[in-house]
Amino acid sequence: DAGITQSPRHKVTETGTPVTLRCHQTENHRYMYWYRQDPGHGLRLIHYSYGVKDTDKGEVSDGYSVSRSKTEDFLLTLESATSSQTSVYFCAISGGGLADYEQYFGPGTRLTVT
Amino acid sequence: GDSVTQMEGPVTLSEEAFLTINCTYTATGYPSLFWYVQYPGEGLQLLLKATKADDKGSNKGFEATYRKETTSFHLEKGSVQVSDSAVYFCALSSFSGGYNKLIFGAGTRLAVHP
Repeated sequence: DAGITQSPRHKVTETGTPVTLRCHQTENHRYMYWYRQDPGHGLRLIHYSYGVKDTDKGEVSDGYSVSRSKTEDFLLTLESATSSQTSVYFCAISGGGLADYEQYFGPGTRLTVT
Repeated sequence: GDSVTQMEGPVTLSEEAFLTINCTYTATGYPSLFWYVQYPGEGLQLLLKATKADDKGSNKGFEATYRKETTSFHLEKGSVQVSDSAVYFCALSSFSGGYNKLIFGAGTRLAVHP
């Protein structure tokens, strides 16, 4: 257990509304990641962070933004949710006592956009 | 670019049967290789890993050997249990763009019946 929590665990929202998902870790890991999981695609990286206020885009970043103002929190924001963003979102961590190449995952947030 | 291909599921087995889930990869350089497992309603858990050619990763009766000559990392277990029913993801990690990038296969669902 790498001490990762995600909130909320489930959310239903309407098209066009903003949504923020939170990832919280308790063990000072340097790297944090947001993925989305969709059938037939495995997991795809949305954004990642390599330190406080240091973030960069992954392969499916359009429509998403992130922020990391504290080591322990990494927020994912959908500025204006669309139905194509219905998915399960996973946060992951690495570094800071773990090998940089080993990632450990949170329990996930199931988001439904209606 | 780097990629991971794993056999499509679902794989359906009887308890105590032998399991093989095939995984092949394409990568430049020398990636680390992983198998993750996802039980229903949960996040991904790291099952085993191998960091260089000919390494064998093992955990909970599962094994996989890093075969550079065939670019493969097949998952095996000698005798599956009902509790092994889950989705299994093969993944590779390579250093690219300043961070360790994790690339996943699409996942293989395993169903074990008593």
